[in-house]
Amino acid sequence: EAGVAQSPRYKIIEKRQSVAFWCNPISGHATLYWYQQILGQGPKLLIQFQNNGVVDDSQLPKDRFSAERLKGVDSTLKIQPAKLEDSAVYLCASSLGPTSGQETQYFGPGTRLLVL
Amino acid sequence: GDSVTQMEGPVTLSEEAFLTINCTYTATGYPSLFWYVQYPGEGLQLLLKATKADDKGSNKGFEATYRKETTSFHLEKGSVQVSDSAVYFCALSDRGSSYKLIFGSGTRLLVRP
Repeated sequence: EAGVAQSPRYKIIEKRQSVAFWCNPISGHATLYWYQQILGQGPKLLIQFQNNGVVDDSQLPKDRFSAERLKGVDSTLKIQPAKLEDSAVYLCASSLGPTSGQETQYFGPGTRLLVL
Repeated sequence: GDSVTQMEGPVTLSEEAFLTINCTYTATGYPSLFWYVQYPGEGLQLLLKATKADDKGSNKGFEATYRKETTSFHLEKGSVQVSDSAVYFCALSDRGSSYKLIFGSGTRLLVRP
């Protein structure tokens, strides 16, 4: 069974530029998560989708970050314009669903972003 | 709100030594508890999990027991290998938070030959 796929693996941009990350979850997984992991810290949730609807985006900086999950499968996370403090690893995860017994999340390899 | 606290690293051990990484949590509901491992340059891999009190999760020689009375989920391994060198994250999820994962800050383990 294929795991969670993410691209690109690495990205270097200058501040005020825009960037987009792509994620394809495990087949059949209804719930998709984007996390931000700053160096030396644990990941923090940015946004959670259930199929193509948003469940939780309370920690997403909506003035610069946006995300969508068209057709309830793959997802794109965008930053525009980027700031220096956005340098981090962006992790995508998926699970069967947001219910007990289905909540285990599986992670992709991440996209490492450096903003100069 | 819910939170997870892990012991700070780095933890440096010799090969075949006994490992304990402490993890305690605060939660209003009845969370599921997880340990994830992150190798250099990679994403998070699920190591083990436990979904209710007194459950023991185990995988690859690692184990952790869900202790509700002490709100703890300590990770243990009887004999570590150099290949176990990585960062270990304790995490919880519960229904009240739509099952998002709340992570500790991670503990780096370095095993010397």
